[in-house]
Amino acid sequence: EDQVTQSPEALRLQEGESSSLNCSYTVSGLRGLFWYRQDPGKGPEFLFTLYSAGEEKEKERLKATLTKKESFLHITAPKPEDSATYLCAVRTSGNTPLVFGKGTRLSVIA
Amino acid sequence: DAEITQSPRHKITETGRQVTLACHQTWNHNNMFWYRQDLGHGLRLIHYSYGVQDTNKGEVSDGYSVSRSNTEDLPLTLESAASSQTSVYFCASSEGGKAYEQYFGPGTRLTVT
Repeated sequence: EDQVTQSPEALRLQEGESSSLNCSYTVSGLRGLFWYRQDPGKGPEFLFTLYSAGEEKEKERLKATLTKKESFLHITAPKPEDSATYLCAVRTSGNTPLVFGKGTRLSVIA
Repeated sequence: DAEITQSPRHKITETGRQVTLACHQTWNHNNMFWYRQDLGHGLRLIHYSYGVQDTNKGEVSDGYSVSRSNTEDLPLTLESAASSQTSVYFCASSEGGKAYEQYFGPGTRLTVT
């Protein structure tokens, strides 16, 4: 069974304190790993897609990386507006829907 | 601009009533999905569709149904609402092929009393 595990469940950072969120996966044939941001009371917002080990994508203070077993979302010098829940999801072989992790709730304190 | 909308945004209903949640997208996407999101469970897939007249069951489909009569809409029906179906419901859509990023609607908060 395809599984996606995100850690930690919650993370509290001081403004400017860089850190990383982890998404580990056990799937048969990865065809893409997706990162989303979700603000309270809103739907998830698409951030990145990674397709192969070694690939990296960046957007402002966020950088996503991918290995054969996990992905990291690095947050450099975070600001309070980066506070949100970050979700990762995987697409596996075949025409199957995305499988989502439970998310990491990030709080950045000024 | 293309978008995906859901209605109503909030709904309170009684146990046993039939409820329909609407989802409308103007991206012209083939794929549409319904999820529920609950504390401790994350996003769970209810039903999905890869095109007109196509519907498929997801992880938690019992008590829910969908139909796809056109590209833009995928309504979700709760046949007989139960308190266990109190949740936040999200609709999403995506293109087919490699461009599989899903774009989500704003959600519907459903309370079954």
